[in-house]
Amino acid sequence: GEDVEQSLFLSVREGDSSVINCTYTDSSSTYLYWYKQEPGAGLQLLTYIFSNMDMKQDQRLTVLLNKKDKHLSLRIADTQTGDSAIYFCAEKRRQAGTALIFGKGTTLSVSS
Amino acid sequence: KAGVTQTPRYLIKTRGQQVTLSCSPISGHRSVSWYQQTPGQGLQFLFEYFSETQRNKGNFPGRFSGRQFSNSRSEMNVSTLELGDSALYLCASSVGDSPLHFGNGTRLTVT
Repeated sequence: GEDVEQSLFLSVREGDSSVINCTYTDSSSTYLYWYKQEPGAGLQLLTYIFSNMDMKQDQRLTVLLNKKDKHLSLRIADTQTGDSAIYFCAEKRRQAGTALIFGKGTTLSVSS
Repeated sequence: KAGVTQTPRYLIKTRGQQVTLSCSPISGHRSVSWYQQTPGQGLQFLFEYFSETQRNKGNFPGRFSGRQFSNSRSEMNVSTLELGDSALYLCASSVGDSPLHFGNGTRLTVT
């Protein structure tokens, strides 16, 4: 399909790991991104991965890319209540130029 | 370094009016993009400006327009407002192939 797909909701307990999944559409996408949005705020860039990479780790964040299945995941280790937010996956498609195509977002709820 | 600044944060307008939103990019960033965020459609690309020229355009009607100034600041304008234009409008800036950095947005409500 044409859409970037994400599950809508994820609930975890504080201290657990969270895994947010995303399926993108274009095998020729150059970059894939994860953004975080807190209530009343804009989008905060969390991390991104170039399409020729399989994995990227940045402190508590691990991004895994499966190009064959066009699947991207974001793992947050030791999830904290401050991680509660909406997480957006986005792809940069070659034919879309500079525009990013976003998923609908996954709401992460962290309980203590 | 200051982030992307959008003004105003909130706007309330009436159907048929027009509105102008402003965006100041991160210093040194020459590319400015605009996105519309609504609960139903999610985040959608409006347009991108680079060196005062529109470089890319999304699938929005001609009522949506923008411009960029020589200092890279950008404005977007929506004319003849409709109820469906109520949304969070996000501006983002970038340099080269770097990721987009977003501002906090302007919340537009059309009544």
